[in-house]
Amino acid sequence: AQTVTQSQPEMSVQEAETVTLSCTYDTSESNYYLFWYKQPPSRQMILVIRQEAYKQQNATENRFSVNFQKAAKSFSLKISDSQLGDTAMYFCAFMNRLSRDDKIIFGKGTRLHILP
Amino acid sequence: GAVVSQHPSWVICKSGTSVKIECRSLDFQATTMFWYRQFPKQSLMLMATSNEGSKATYEQGVEKDKFLINHASLTLSTLTVTSAHPEDSSFYICSASPFSYEQYFGPGTRLTVT
Repeated sequence: AQTVTQSQPEMSVQEAETVTLSCTYDTSESNYYLFWYKQPPSRQMILVIRQEAYKQQNATENRFSVNFQKAAKSFSLKISDSQLGDTAMYFCAFMNRLSRDDKIIFGKGTRLHILP
Repeated sequence: GAVVSQHPSWVICKSGTSVKIECRSLDFQATTMFWYRQFPKQSLMLMATSNEGSKATYEQGVEKDKFLINHASLTLSTLTVTSAHPEDSSFYICSASPFSYEQYFGPGTRLTVT
């Protein structure tokens, strides 16, 4: 069974700083997707970034980038020039690409506070 | 595009009654819809997966007779909590998938059972 582990329950950084959220996962599959989702206080789940396991290039979306280390099964999220609106719960997630049920497995989350 | 709505956003019901939550994909057809439950400050827990026209597949430990899921069309899935009890109070989130790997989440429904 696949598992997703986020070892940082809570983090705080000053506005404009760079912060990295850690995520490790365990799977025997070779073809999968990894995601970072953001859940702000509104509780609406927002996709931040997606990485396809067969792509070596790290995904980037504006201020958000990932460090995908497939051999180490590590998938960290870097937020550059952090903004107050980045305050949210961040979930790392895994999906087996060849699974028939397309289930997403979520980590327990990291609560990120951006301080003014 | 890719908007998913949930109705109601917040519902209060009395213990022993049933409550229905709707999940709609507004601008796409969803072959698969998912229902999650989220307790305060916790992660999302998948309850069940439903495909249009088929019976839902429930995760281990989820009572299928208590949480009835109907995926009647490619744009609508409903979750009915039957004989609700205070311990069923939670935040319920649906997601809809038009195709593999892409899931769009609804805004969630807060259920309070008194």
